[in-house]
Amino acid sequence: NAGVMQNPRHLVRRRGQEARLRCSPMKGHSHVYWYRQLPEEGLKFMVYLQKENIIDESGMPKERFSAEFPKEGPSILRIQQVVRGDSAAYFCASSDGGRTEAFFGQGTRLTVV
Amino acid sequence: AQSVAQPEDQVNVAEGNPLTVKCTYSVSGNPYLFWYVQYPNRGLQFLLKYITGDNLVKGSYGFEAEFNKSQTSFHLKKPSALVSDSALYFCAAPSGSARQLTFGSGTQLTVLP
Repeated sequence: NAGVMQNPRHLVRRRGQEARLRCSPMKGHSHVYWYRQLPEEGLKFMVYLQKENIIDESGMPKERFSAEFPKEGPSILRIQQVVRGDSAAYFCASSDGGRTEAFFGQGTRLTVV
Repeated sequence: AQSVAQPEDQVNVAEGNPLTVKCTYSVSGNPYLFWYVQYPNRGLQFLLKYITGDNLVKGSYGFEAEFNKSQTSFHLKKPSALVSDSALYFCAAPSGSARQLTFGSGTQLTVLP
């Protein structure tokens, strides 16, 4: 049973470009969470999605950031017009929605140059 | 709503000695509490959880945690530390309508040979 898969593992973008981060949840999981970890900081919640629905995006920046979890395919976190401050590790987690633990992917490390 | 706090940024312990990584919580209702570990450039790995039942919870890699209601604590412990235990440890609790995890600020554990 493959775990949570994130790709790419590392992503370098120039300022102003777009970044697309992908997350495939564990088999059987329909709940996906995105977190951001800035250097020397803990993880901060960004958005929670179920298939085709955004349930809670209270942690998402108001501009440039968007997320989706289509009926088919992985969840996508999209960052438009990236800036240096977007450089961080972005982690995806999935769960079955119950009281079980969430499982994390290995993250995508975004570097904006 | 639930929140957690990790009062120590850094914990150093000699190999073979017992280790404790502290976590305190603030909850309304029954607390659900988790410990995760993050190795360098990796994602978070689940260690253990407390939902209900025994106050002493046993987890992966020989770790355990003691839920203490009177002290509102959920400290992570291991009787004999290994150098390979050196990592960043996060206490977490679900909060919000989406039950997304709220993480503590993390504690860097260094086990000295």
